[in-house]
Amino acid sequence: AQSVTQLDSQVPVFEEAPVELRCNYSSSVSVYLFWYVQYPNQGLQLLLKYLSGSTLVKGINGFEAEFNKSQTSFHLRKPSVHISDTAEYFCAVSSPSGTYKYIFGTGTRLKVLA
Amino acid sequence: DTGVSQNPRHKITKRGQNVTFRCDPISEHNRLYWYRQTLGQGPEFLTYFQNEAQLEKSRLLSDRFSAERPKGSFSTLEIQRTEQGDSAMYLCASSLIDRAGNTIYFGEGSWLTVV
Repeated sequence: AQSVTQLDSQVPVFEEAPVELRCNYSSSVSVYLFWYVQYPNQGLQLLLKYLSGSTLVKGINGFEAEFNKSQTSFHLRKPSVHISDTAEYFCAVSSPSGTYKYIFGTGTRLKVLA
Repeated sequence: DTGVSQNPRHKITKRGQNVTFRCDPISEHNRLYWYRQTLGQGPEFLTYFQNEAQLEKSRLLSDRFSAERPKGSFSTLEIQRTEQGDSAMYLCASSLIDRAGNTIYFGEGSWLTVV
């Protein structure tokens, strides 16, 4: 079975500071990894995804994530955050075989402070 | 590309009533998923369709829940005899089977409040 752990439920950070949101996964098979963002009262928007190849993945809005197989991690980073980045961020995993559903973490609430 | 559309966006119902949510996926997508999200939690998988066939149902989907996708296009999720524990956001999503990875596109969600 696959699982995702997002250890930080909330991350406060000042505007223009860097941020890292942590994601660890557990899987006995190879995985696809995703980060989604959810703004208040809205659905989920894909930020970036890792399928294969380069372990450093760049996404929208200046976010990037690095896949680390040995540490089973897929941490999300941004070098300089804006107030508008305040949202809930979800890490998700799926399997390349079937790939019909995602397993999500519990989310990390990013609060950007002025 | 009009995205995944869900309605109603919000529904308040009394306990014991039936509710139905509709989802219109991205037009060429052959897979359609339903997820449920409660406050402070990530989305949890409920069920998915490939075309009109419902291929998997989660244990979360009790007998009071039924989902259909009659012509392989839009889908409905019905909850019968609602309970307060059903209060959540119900997310619909769709995807296209391809070799490049199964990116799922989510709708805005339908909020259900059972009072």
